[in-house]
Amino acid sequence: NAGVMQNPRHLVRRRGQEARLRCSPMKGHSHVYWYRQLPEEGLKFMVYLQKENIIDESGMPKERFSAEFPKEGPSILRIQQVVRGDSAAYFCASSPRDSPTDTQYFGPGTRLTVL
Amino acid sequence: QKEVEQNSGPLSVPEGAIASLNCTYSDRGSQSFFWYRQYSGKSPELIMFIYSNGDKEDGRFTAQLNKASQYVSLLIRDSQPSDSATYLCAVNMDQGAQKLVFGQGTRLTINP
Repeated sequence: NAGVMQNPRHLVRRRGQEARLRCSPMKGHSHVYWYRQLPEEGLKFMVYLQKENIIDESGMPKERFSAEFPKEGPSILRIQQVVRGDSAAYFCASSPRDSPTDTQYFGPGTRLTVL
Repeated sequence: QKEVEQNSGPLSVPEGAIASLNCTYSDRGSQSFFWYRQYSGKSPELIMFIYSNGDKEDGRFTAQLNKASQYVSLLIRDSQPSDSATYLCAVNMDQGAQKLVFGQGTRLTINP
């Protein structure tokens, strides 16, 4: 009974490089959410996706960040030309439906460090 | 700006006592409310959810919701040292939307 899986768990990038974070939802879940937690801050919503669709990207920075959830394979959060301010923990969550009462279950997170 | 407010703490409670964690939210139309526990360096773990006014109990945990006051709380009875963590209040504020708005979290320490 695998939960939400994320990889890599730790990622180190130099300024200007690209970071790719992957998330596989729980079995039976088709809704994926990405959140970012900056050091000593709370979690902030970034984007909500279903298979092949971005439903809500109101929390995504306008530049350098993109997300996808293809028909096959994991959801990908991509950060281009990373800067030191991108250093954070990035959490993926999944839920089985799009009901507001559905619980979101979180993966272990990817901790991105930008040197 | 839709917000969720929590006292950041730290909140220190002796072992065996009741820990009370509070959360207020700004959007009167909010539908669902969640409490997550997060240990240092780990991911959020769901403790409880509540949708209706009143109390909801699950083991040592009780969630309380008062929509008129826009207030939700979590009580932890018989607190254990393993309950020491940061507790995150999360609210789904948008009808039809799915994004959770999180509070800053309350850091709880249970003293043996």
